[in-house]
Amino acid sequence: EIVLTQSPDTLSLSPGERATLSCRASQSVGRYLAWYQQKPGQAPRLLIYDASNRATGIPARFSGSGSGTDFTLTISGLDPEDFAVYYCHQRYQWPRTFGQGTKVEIK
Amino acid sequence: EVQVVESGGGLVQPGGSLRLSCVASGFTFGDYSMTWVRQAPGKGLEWVSSISERGGDSYYRDSVKGRFIISRDNSGNTLYLQMNNLRVEDTANYYCARRGWSGAMDYWGQGTLVTVSS
Repeated sequence: EIVLTQSPDTLSLSPGERATLSCRASQSVGRYLAWYQQKPGQAPRLLIYDASNRATGIPARFSGSGSGTDFTLTISGLDPEDFAVYYCHQRYQWPRTFGQGTKVEIK
Repeated sequence: EVQVVESGGGLVQPGGSLRLSCVASGFTFGDYSMTWVRQAPGKGLEWVSSISERGGDSYYRDSVKGRFIISRDNSGNTLYLQMNNLRVEDTANYYCARRGWSGAMDYWGQGTLVTVSS
C-alpha cells in the first residue's frame, strides 16, 4: 500500500499569506495525485488532479506541482474561504490512499 | 446539474448488516466508475471500494474484503454498498463519489452516517 504523508499537520497563516502544503508518497505515483479541500460539515471538493491540473471552477490561486514521490499544493494568497483541511490522494495503485490531511487555520 | 445522493445509513449492532445506496443524476451514470470513501468522526478520508463503469471490476480495501460488496444498477442510476458483519471501526460517514474523465473524484455526495455500536 502506498502511504501518503502530508506536512505540516497544521498550518497557521493570515489571510493574504501564501500557503505551501506538502505530500510525500512512500513510492512513486507518477503524476496520479490529486488534492481535495474539505470544510467542516461538507463533502470534499476536488481542487487539483494529475498533480498540477486545476479542476473546473477552481481559482487560479490554487496550484499544484510535483511528480514521483514529492508533491506541493500552493495557495498564492489565502482567502478567508480557504481555511479548511486539505488531503492528497493517489490513484496510481490499488488500494487508493489518502494523506492524513493538513489543516490550514487562521493565525 | 450533476448530483449524487447517499442514503441507507443508521445505527446497527456489531455483526449486523446495512445496505447503502447512492442515486446519481445529471450525467450518464453508466459511463463513469464510482467509489465509496468513508470518514470516521473527526478523522481523515479513507478509500473503501470502487467499481468500473459496467460493474465488471471492483476493488476493496483489505479491512472490508469479504464483508462489503459494491454493486451498481446502471438502468436505475444507483450505486450500492452492501455491508455485512459490521465492526465498531466501520463507524463513519460514507461518501459516494464519481470518478470523472480526469481520473479524479470530481463529484461527491454529502454522505450517509453509519454507526456501529451495541
